[in-house]
Order: sequence, then C-alpha cells, then structure tokens
Amino acid sequence: AQRVTQPEKLLSVFKGAPVELKCNYSYSGSPELFWYVQYSRQRLQLLLRHISRESIKGFTADLNKGETSFHLKKPFAQEEDSAMYYCALHNTDKLIFGTGTRLQVFP
Amino acid sequence: DTGVSQDPRHKITKRGQNVTFRCDPISEHNRLYWYRQTLGQGPEFLTYFQNEAQLEKSRLLSDRFSAERPKGSFSTLEIQRTEQGDSAMYLCASSLTNYNEQFFGPGTRLTVL
Repeated sequence: AQRVTQPEKLLSVFKGAPVELKCNYSYSGSPELFWYVQYSRQRLQLLLRHISRESIKGFTADLNKGETSFHLKKPFAQEEDSAMYYCALHNTDKLIFGTGTRLQVFP
Repeated sequence: DTGVSQDPRHKITKRGQNVTFRCDPISEHNRLYWYRQTLGQGPEFLTYFQNEAQLEKSRLLSDRFSAERPKGSFSTLEIQRTEQGDSAMYLCASSLTNYNEQFFGPGTRLTVL
C-alpha cells in the first residue's frame, strides 16, 4: 500500500542549527513527492516538490529511491521556520500525507 | 481571486444533525478535492471532482457523506446524521488537470457534540 511515514512528531532546534525532517514512503512506481508547510493560523501551502529540484526559503529535499526517502533539509534554521511540515506523495490524482512534524526553532 | 475559500470556518452541531460545507476553488481550476484532518494526523483524502464529475471516493466516505459540484465551480460536502467521530477539520483543495500542485483552503472545523 502507498504510505508516507514521518517518524518525528516534534523537532526542536536552536536558531542557526541544521535541520533535517525525515520522510519515508512506500510506492510501487515512480513517486512524485511534495513538502507542504502550515504556519501558525495559516493554510497548508506547498513548500517544494521533488521534480522542480529547487530550494525554497533555504530548504531542499532530495529523492532517494534506494532508501525510499525524501528528507527535508536546511543548513541554518530560522525562527520563522517554526511550523508544521507535511510530506506528501501524489498517487492517482490525490495526495497521501504523512502525519507531520512540528518544527520549533528557538532563539 | 485570493485563493480557495471555505464556508463556514467553524461549525458546532449536535449529534444526529445534518451539516453542509461549501468550497469555492480558484476560478480556473477544474479539479477540486476534499480532505479530512483529525488531531495529530495529516490530511486524508475523501473525494475529488474533475469539473462536475466525481471521479473517486475514499472508503472513508461513508454513506452519510455526499459531495457535489453541480456546475463545475463550487462544491458542497454534506454530512447526514453527524456522529462525534465526524469531528475534524475538513479541507478543500483545487488544482489544474495535469498539474499536481494542490492549493488548499483554510478549512472548516466541525465539532459534533
């Protein structure tokens, strides 16, 4: 079955520290993966998608098919990065989401 | 057009009552999705439309749930005989066909007492 796993419910770091939010998936075929972010009191919004291979707000994510992972990384966390992050897999016209990781960045 | 809108933003109802939610997608988007999100979980797919056609329904969508998109624009999601387990955030999203980025609305938070 197609599934997305985010093993960490909460990740706390200090400003300037590196961040890695983990995402693993199970999918038979070529996956299309996304990271969505939800800031406090805002709607869910797309952060990045693997096919674009771009860096948004300093975040990058590389698809590793061998490890079935799509971890989100940022070398230096900022306080404004504090939010809920969801990894999602596109499967036959719908998105399958992980349970999310709350990132807290302390000053 | 400032994005996907949903109405109401909050709904409190008593068990057994019927409720209806509305979603207005981004105007040129022909796909519209409904998701449900409970505490501590990510959004879970319920159903989606391509224009006015409902193309897929999740097994999560029991017979008490019905969704429509009669003119291929706005959509409604109705829950009949609500149960406490229906308490959740109901999210709507829209997209263009063949473009997999989905744009989400603010959600409708349902509380069933």
